[in-house]
Amino acid sequence: NAGVMQNPRHLVRRRGQEARLRCSPMKGHSHVYWYRQLPEEGLKFMVYLQKENIIDESGMPKERFSAEFPKEGPSILRIQQVVRGDSAAYFCASSRTGTDDSNQPQHFGDGTRLSIL
Amino acid sequence: GEDVEQSLFLSVREGDSSVINCTYTDSSSTYLYWYKQEPGAGLQLLTYIFSNMDMKQDQRLTVLLNKKDKHLSLRIADTQTGDSAIYFCAESRPGQNFVFGPGTRLSVLP
Repeated sequence: NAGVMQNPRHLVRRRGQEARLRCSPMKGHSHVYWYRQLPEEGLKFMVYLQKENIIDESGMPKERFSAEFPKEGPSILRIQQVVRGDSAAYFCASSRTGTDDSNQPQHFGDGTRLSIL
Repeated sequence: GEDVEQSLFLSVREGDSSVINCTYTDSSSTYLYWYKQEPGAGLQLLTYIFSNMDMKQDQRLTVLLNKKDKHLSLRIADTQTGDSAIYFCAESRPGQNFVFGPGTRLSVLP
């Protein structure tokens, strides 16, 4: 029973390039959350998606960042024209039901560590 | 505000008990969670407690909740070197996203 799968584990990009981070939720989970963790800091919520819908993107920068969770395939977090400040670990979590059911714990992937040269 | 607060560092000797504390601000929080993050890994769900409970025990882990003071603690009995990690407290409220604390870095000394 595979957990949340994220790839790649490590991603190196030069300034100005695009970064695409993928997340496959646990089997049976249709709610996905993306978080960013800067070194020595906690997790900051970015975006919450259900299949084909963005439910809450209040934590995601308005420019350069976008997220999707298509009907088929993994959720994608896309960062265009990356800058040094985008260097961080990006974690994906999934849950069976959404935030209306607060008894649903979120299960995390191992993250993608993004480094910008 | 919606901050969840934790002390950032804790050191204990192997075999001793560790107590990691967390305070939250929203009395409508329904579930409170403890996650463990080892170096280079994601967050592993350790345990969680419903807000109408005072205590929950699971093997070496004991969670205590003081709802009046909005204070949550995680006690690890007989702490081992493998318990060295960052421990995150998180709260959830219906219709809202999880709010995580900054994490407590636990160091277990031999």
